[in-house]
Amino acid sequence: TAGITQAPTSQILAAGRSMTLRCTQDMRHNAMYWYRQDLGLGLRLIHYSNTAGTTGKGEVPDGYSVSRANTDDFPLTLASAVPSQTSVYFCASSDGGDSPYNEQFFGPGTRLTVL
Amino acid sequence: AQSVTQLDSHVSVSEGTPVLLRCNYSSSYSPSLFWYVQHPNKGLQLLLKYTSAATLVKGINGFEAEFKKSETSFHLTKPSAHMSDAAEYFCVVSERSGNTPLVFGKGTRLSVIA
Repeated sequence: TAGITQAPTSQILAAGRSMTLRCTQDMRHNAMYWYRQDLGLGLRLIHYSNTAGTTGKGEVPDGYSVSRANTDDFPLTLASAVPSQTSVYFCASSDGGDSPYNEQFFGPGTRLTVL
Repeated sequence: AQSVTQLDSHVSVSEGTPVLLRCNYSSSYSPSLFWYVQHPNKGLQLLLKYTSAATLVKGINGFEAEFKKSETSFHLTKPSAHMSDAAEYFCVVSERSGNTPLVFGKGTRLSVIA
């Protein structure tokens, strides 16, 4: 079982350009999440989706958008990248949906550099 | 709203000595608590979780944590450190009321000295 896959593994992006980070899970989990990880700040939630067709804002949603057209995919889009969006991005999923105390499973991450 | 504080940003221990990584939490409801580990350039892996069953929780690789409600703590311990334990550790809290997502601590980097 692949679990959660993310693409690309890493990317260098010019400021002002748009980009979509891809996330796919094969566990049929209801809930999916996007986090960014920055040194000294831990992981911060960007957006989440409790079930296909619904999304919600996390702690740091500005400059990012998501969609959840189906259960397996949860892409994260940067419409116009800025250098402060340089980070490592992790996608996660959990079976809980409305039960947030379930374990979250994480993808390997995407390292994004915005110049 | 819930929050979590990891009291040490960096802990250094010698191989074979005990490990203690400290975590305090704040939660309006009965929380669920987790410890995740992240090895260099890797994703996060669940070490253990507390969800209101036994207060002493055993996880993978010999780690365990004790939920102490009176102290609002969930410290992670291991009797004897191995070199392979060197990693970043995150304490995480979740309220089990409503659709509140996980809240991560800022992490503790564990170094193990040979």
